[in-house]
Amino acid sequence: GAVVSQHPSWVICKSGTSVKIECRSLDFQATTMFWYRQFPKQSLMLMATSNEGSKATYEQGVEKDKFLINHASLTLSTLTVTSAHPEDSSFYICSAPHTGTNEKLFFGSGTQLSVL
Amino acid sequence: SQQGEEDPQALSIQEGENATMNCSYKTSINNLQWYRQNSGRGLVHLILIRSNEREKHSGRLRVTLDTSKKSSSLLITASRAADTASYFCATAHYGGSQGNLIFGKGTKLSVKP
Repeated sequence: GAVVSQHPSWVICKSGTSVKIECRSLDFQATTMFWYRQFPKQSLMLMATSNEGSKATYEQGVEKDKFLINHASLTLSTLTVTSAHPEDSSFYICSAPHTGTNEKLFFGSGTQLSVL
Repeated sequence: SQQGEEDPQALSIQEGENATMNCSYKTSINNLQWYRQNSGRGLVHLILIRSNEREKHSGRLRVTLDTSKKSSSLLITASRAADTASYFCATAHYGGSQGNLIFGKGTKLSVKP
């Protein structure tokens, strides 16, 4: 099946620093990628839709200046958490629909962000 | 807002038993999907059922869909310890962009050996 690679798996950073998370589609092209946030024992909350070659679409309540998304190629989308604070600590997951099967999603393995 | 709501929130069974999880949703859907998540990992697609389908099988998985009740169920037969995970239903609704699914809160399944 299609593979989505997400890196890093976990990151610990100091408050005020920025953290970049990468999401790559390894064996298919993804014009669209989704970024989610998941709190412990809770569901996935869609943060934004990343579109190759254009601006990302953010969900209501998600600060676009806080969570910068770049989708510069058909296989790579990045999420940068700028000036991270402890309340940004969470599990971030990306996903992409496979071009041949747009209905189901392939997920990265997630990134656990801990902001001290 | 969350579309799918799973029931129960947590389920603990013995190996070999069947596990049934339910999902309800609020608005019309194009399809409904079930995903599995192991602790601290990404989600893995299990099965997709379209709005015009009533039942679907895949290995030990059986999914039903009742659009009149806006509900779906996932049955895992002859459960194994390796089935221990959280299971999420996700709905794709008409008018939504491709791949934009709304996830329920999940059912945490524990299968004891």
